[in-house]
Amino acid sequence: EAQVTQNPRYLITVTGKKLTVTCSQNMNHEYMSWYRQDPGLGLRQIYYSMNVEVTDKGDVPEGYKVSRKEKRNFPLILESPSPNQTSLYFCASSLAGTSGGPGETQYFGPGTRLLVL
Amino acid sequence: AQSVSQHNHHVILSEAASLELGCNYSYGGTVNLFWYVQYPGQHLQLLLKYFSGDPLVKGIKGFEAEFIKSKFSFNLRKPSVQWSDTAEYFCAVLLYNQGGKLIFGQGTELSVKP
Repeated sequence: EAQVTQNPRYLITVTGKKLTVTCSQNMNHEYMSWYRQDPGLGLRQIYYSMNVEVTDKGDVPEGYKVSRKEKRNFPLILESPSPNQTSLYFCASSLAGTSGGPGETQYFGPGTRLLVL
Repeated sequence: AQSVSQHNHHVILSEAASLELGCNYSYGGTVNLFWYVQYPGQHLQLLLKYFSGDPLVKGIKGFEAEFIKSKFSFNLRKPSVQWSDTAEYFCAVLLYNQGGKLIFGQGTELSVKP
């Protein structure tokens, strides 16, 4: 079954404690992306990747890191989480379009709800 | 800076009413356009997309959208809504030839009364 998986689904942590949210897709997609969803702000892109070892900043990259060492995985790293990073995070993937961005349907993961105390 | 605006934050309709959700973007170049839907407790699903060609695009579940380049708009429409259309709707714009940056609107919450 084609899917995007994220782990963990729910996480409560404390300020400053490094954490990683994993994202994995089994569709051999080139394009992967991380978003955060906050009430009234919609989804904002954190980072995206157009292929292995190719990543770029989205609209709100501060406080986040990513890596793309393998095509299927795109982990999101919070080196020193702060309460303003409390949010719902979505990973997504798709084949690359002609513009280099998401081509056909972008598949979203189930979301990771993060609370930073 | 490029942005996407959805003018209606919360829309309440009765079943069988017609729906139009507005989406405007600020970018002068070529764009790819998307509408996504998020049902309560679920992740986003693609409703429809516009890349090129006919500016009137049809999506799943009876939704359609019209790209009007001169107005920088991509409004979503459905002639007759159902209670099951209750969800949050997001417009998104991909800036062509600017890599993979995708900008979402703030979202419109649609509540359909049975």
